[in-house]
Amino acid sequence: DIQMTQSPSSLSASVGDRVTVTCRTSQTVSSYLNWYQQKPGKAPNLLIYAASNLQTGVPSRFSGSGFGTDFTLTISSLQPEDFATYYCQQTYSTVFTFGPGTKVDIK
Amino acid sequence: EVQLVESGGGLVQPGRSLRLSCTGSGFTFSDSGLSWVRQAPGKGLEWVGFIRNKAYGGTTEYAASAKGRFTISRDDSESIAYLQMNSLKTEDTALYYCIRTSLYNYGSRSYYTLDYWGQGTLVTVSS
Repeated sequence: DIQMTQSPSSLSASVGDRVTVTCRTSQTVSSYLNWYQQKPGKAPNLLIYAASNLQTGVPSRFSGSGFGTDFTLTISSLQPEDFATYYCQQTYSTVFTFGPGTKVDIK
Repeated sequence: EVQLVESGGGLVQPGRSLRLSCTGSGFTFSDSGLSWVRQAPGKGLEWVGFIRNKAYGGTTEYAASAKGRFTISRDDSESIAYLQMNSLKTEDTALYYCIRTSLYNYGSRSYYTLDYWGQGTLVTVSS
């Protein structure tokens, strides 16, 4: 199975900060990489698909980039509602593995 | 409005079986793939498995932790998907989510995305 890592595992940031989360895969997944946001007590929510495409309704401050094995989720200006845990997921193989998550909390 | 509602969770003893259901509405259920993802208390997301729609053969895929013990099936006439879990272990304790799994086209490729999630049903495996 394809292994996923995310860094950092957690970060503290302030409203208005630019935040970057990295996801790395153990082998190439081309652009078959999705990002999800999960707030406490809630189901996850799709943010970005195919590495860089914003899901309908997701604010434009979110962006994704990368190809192959290295990917990035960027929040250009962190808002109060963005404090959450973020997960990457690959759908390149038939086993859709998730990364371990990155928790973004308030500094 | 797309909705997925899971049911069937509860307390079960190790070694026993449990079947979860996922009822979909607000979309063409038969056209959609369905995934199951679980989340142990305080932990991250773990993909359990996936069933394709009939157009793609209705075939299934499983995580290593589920293969041989869990079975995903679907009844498109009732808009229900199932997760049959056998030989349950304490480490199967988790909130189980059902998710619509759609193919999004971008460029010349199609990408599976987990685009609508249910609220989950809690499974506790304990003696």
